[in-house]
Amino acid sequence: QVQLQESGPGLVKPSQTLSLACTVSGGSFSSGDYYWSWIRQPPGKGLEWIGYTYYSGSTYYNPSLKSRVTISVDASRAQFSLNLTSVTAADTAVYFCARQTATPLYFDYWGQGALVTVSS
Amino acid sequence: DIQLTQSPSSLSASVGDRVTITCRASETLSSYLNWYQQKLGRAPKLLIYAASKLQSGVPARFSGSGYGTDFTLTISSLQPEDFATYYCQQSFSTPWTFGLGTKVEIK
Repeated sequence: QVQLQESGPGLVKPSQTLSLACTVSGGSFSSGDYYWSWIRQPPGKGLEWIGYTYYSGSTYYNPSLKSRVTISVDASRAQFSLNLTSVTAADTAVYFCARQTATPLYFDYWGQGALVTVSS
Repeated sequence: DIQLTQSPSSLSASVGDRVTITCRASETLSSYLNWYQQKLGRAPKLLIYAASKLQSGVPARFSGSGYGTDFTLTISSLQPEDFATYYCQQSFSTPWTFGLGTKVEIK
């Protein structure tokens, strides 16, 4: 059974960098059949896709966040990470990591989510 | 970016009711439209992919239809565990986008 688990600080100061990691268990991380995404949800609001990485390290980011986002991969640890720089209160959200099948394209496994609050 | 407009934004229904939620895209998606259910404090759960294909393990009372720009999620007989928020999501072109959600509440 595939499982994803987010980890990282729950509180980040304004202007600093938000960093989260997602650890994947269940053996599918290095399969070429999947993309690995970050998605966020501000409290009481809808879902916003942040970007994805492939196990090889190639990435694609949402243009709305591209200037501040980096997603990286550590395939040896079956882990991928999110860095979001220069955060403001608007970046306060639950951050989900999720697996997306390559064909067809849908998010079939999600982590439980990690609430990150941006506040001084 | 492709915009997805869901309607209604919320609805009240009773157990046993037939419920229909629509999702309209700002440009054609072919069949690249997925539906998710999210309960409070939980991650979204995939219900329907490719507009009409039922994800494994999802009850058959859920169904999806549509092509191009207009899509529908139907719950044939609403059950107590179905009270949740439902989101459509397009996978036709990046950036992937979601609708704003439809909250299904108990009447």
